[in-house]
Amino acid sequence: AQRVTQPEKLLSVFKGAPVELKCNYSYSGSPELFWYVQYSRQRLQLLLRHISRESIKGFTADLNKGETSFHLKKPFAQEEDSAMYYCALVNFGNEKLTFGTGTRLTIIP
Amino acid sequence: GAGVSQSPSNKVTEKGKDVELRCDPISGHTALYWYRQSLGQGLEFLIYFQGNSAPDKSGLPSDRFSAERTGGSVSTLTIQRTQQEDSAVYLCASSLVRGGSDTQYFGPGTRLTVL
Repeated sequence: AQRVTQPEKLLSVFKGAPVELKCNYSYSGSPELFWYVQYSRQRLQLLLRHISRESIKGFTADLNKGETSFHLKKPFAQEEDSAMYYCALVNFGNEKLTFGTGTRLTIIP
Repeated sequence: GAGVSQSPSNKVTEKGKDVELRCDPISGHTALYWYRQSLGQGLEFLIYFQGNSAPDKSGLPSDRFSAERTGGSVSTLTIQRTQQEDSAVYLCASSLVRGGSDTQYFGPGTRLTVL
């Protein structure tokens, strides 16, 4: 069965410091992974997906199949990065998107 | 253009009552998803529609839960004989084409409280 694990429920980082939100997954096939973000009083929205290999708002995430990880990184945190972040994995068989339990990131000014 | 809308935004009900939650997807989106967001539980996948059909209903927590979609547009999630453990935020999302890999656009959610 597919599973997404985000070990940190809460993460606090000083402004300007590097950020890393951890995500590990288990999936028997070739995975497709995403990061979704929910800012305060806003809707859940897609931040980035691994197949795009793009940087959004300074965030990047690299799929490491050996470590089954998809950690989200940003070199210099900004106050507006404070939000709830969810890692997610898609099952191509039933189109089910499995989310992790989320990490609440707080940037300390 | 309008995003995904959900109604009601808040629903308080008594244990044992039935509730209906509504989702209006983005116009033209063929795929529609329901999730449940419980405190400390993350987002739990409930059901996925492609057009009006739901290929996989195994995510529904019990037979008290049902969902339908008509006209390839609006969807309703019905919870019968509500229980306190049903209290959660119910999120709807839609995507342009089939597939969990397509970008999903989420609605604001319906917060359900069962007393």
